Formats: sequence, C-alpha cells, structure tokens
Amino acid sequence: AQSVTQLDSQVPVFEEAPVELRCNYSSSVSVYLFWYVQYPNQGLQLLLKYLSGSTLVESINGFEAEFNKSQTSFHLRKPSVHISDTAEYFCAVMANAGKSTFGDGTTLTVKP
Amino acid sequence: DVKVTQSSRYLVKRTGEKVFLECVQDMDHENMFWYRQDPGLGLRLIYFSYDVKMKEKGDIPEGYSVSREKKERFSLILESASTNQTSMYLCASTTGGPYNEQFFGPGTRLTVL
Repeated sequence: AQSVTQLDSQVPVFEEAPVELRCNYSSSVSVYLFWYVQYPNQGLQLLLKYLSGSTLVESINGFEAEFNKSQTSFHLRKPSVHISDTAEYFCAVMANAGKSTFGDGTTLTVKP
Repeated sequence: DVKVTQSSRYLVKRTGEKVFLECVQDMDHENMFWYRQDPGLGLRLIYFSYDVKMKEKGDIPEGYSVSREKKERFSLILESASTNQTSMYLCASTTGGPYNEQFFGPGTRLTVL
C-alpha cells in the first residue's frame, strides 16, 4: 500500500514570489509520481510526472518537481508565480497499473 | 485530445432516490475510475474498472455500485442516496500500464437533500 502526505493545505503567496508545495509519500514498492492541478470549476489535469531518469522534471508553465528517493519526497516549485497559478494542486503516486493514491491537496492562492 | 465527459455538472436529488452518474471517454482507455472529492480529504477512490464488465472496490465503496457494459462508459450508481453522499464526483480514465496519467472529467457536484 502507498500513501501521500501534502504538508500544507493552504499556501498564500504574492505575485512574482517563489513557491514550494511539499509532498511526501510512502510505499513498499517503486512508484511513479505525479502532480495534478485543478483550476476553479474544472477537473484535474496533469502538471508533470516522474517515471524514471532525471530526478528533476519540468512543466510547460514553469513549475518543476524533484524526486528525492532518500527523503521520499516530490516537492513542487516555481521561482515566480502568477495570478493565474491560483488553483488546487494534488500530488499522486501510482504503484499498481493505473491506480493512483492522491494527497489531500494544497490550495495555492496568489495575491497581487 | 482525450475527452472525458460526465452527464451532469450539477445534480440535486432527495434522500432515498436512486442516482445514476454517467461517464464517457473517447480514447479507448482500458481503465476507468470514480472518485469523490471533499474539502480537506482530497480524492478518494470509490470504484475502478480494468475492462468491460470488470469492477473492483476502491477505498470507500459503501453505498455505491458501478456498471461497465461498454468500454467507453462507466456508470456510478447510488442505490439510495443519503445526505452524506453530497460531494463532487470525478470520473477518470487511463490506458494500460502503471506510468500513464489519468484524464479527468469536469466533475458532477451532487447535492442530496
């Protein structure tokens, strides 16, 4: 079995500030790691994923996440956030074919 | 683009009613999932299906059932709706293999009065 802990339920930041959303996981087997984003009144969509290879993965809109196996973490970062990044972010792990375990979510609010 | 559609965005039902939530995906995905999303609780898996006519219980199956008669359609059924089933319901699909992301529908916000 696997579990996911998102360490912050709410993260308020000012526009153009850096942000880190923290995610820790536990699993007895190798996992694949994902970050999903849910904009207001929309479904979830994939932001980025780690499958293998380089431990640093990037999204097209400037987010990045680093897989740290020793600390069992997959924190999401962005050096400078925009108002449009306001959303809920979910960390997820997948060990069995297709079935994911999601964290409780982190609400990122970017203030002007 | 993969599209996952859900039959309703908003639904209001009364306690005791039988409720059907429909989900359709257009990319020939093998796997389909039903989650409920509640504030502070993230996404919790209700049921999932790896193939037509196959279903497996997720973490919170009590009070729900599912049907998958065709590959593209996965239905969630609330046999007798209760107020504690008021929630946002999300459907998702993915192709086979453990490394593929899930594609989500827009969600159905169900209110049970």
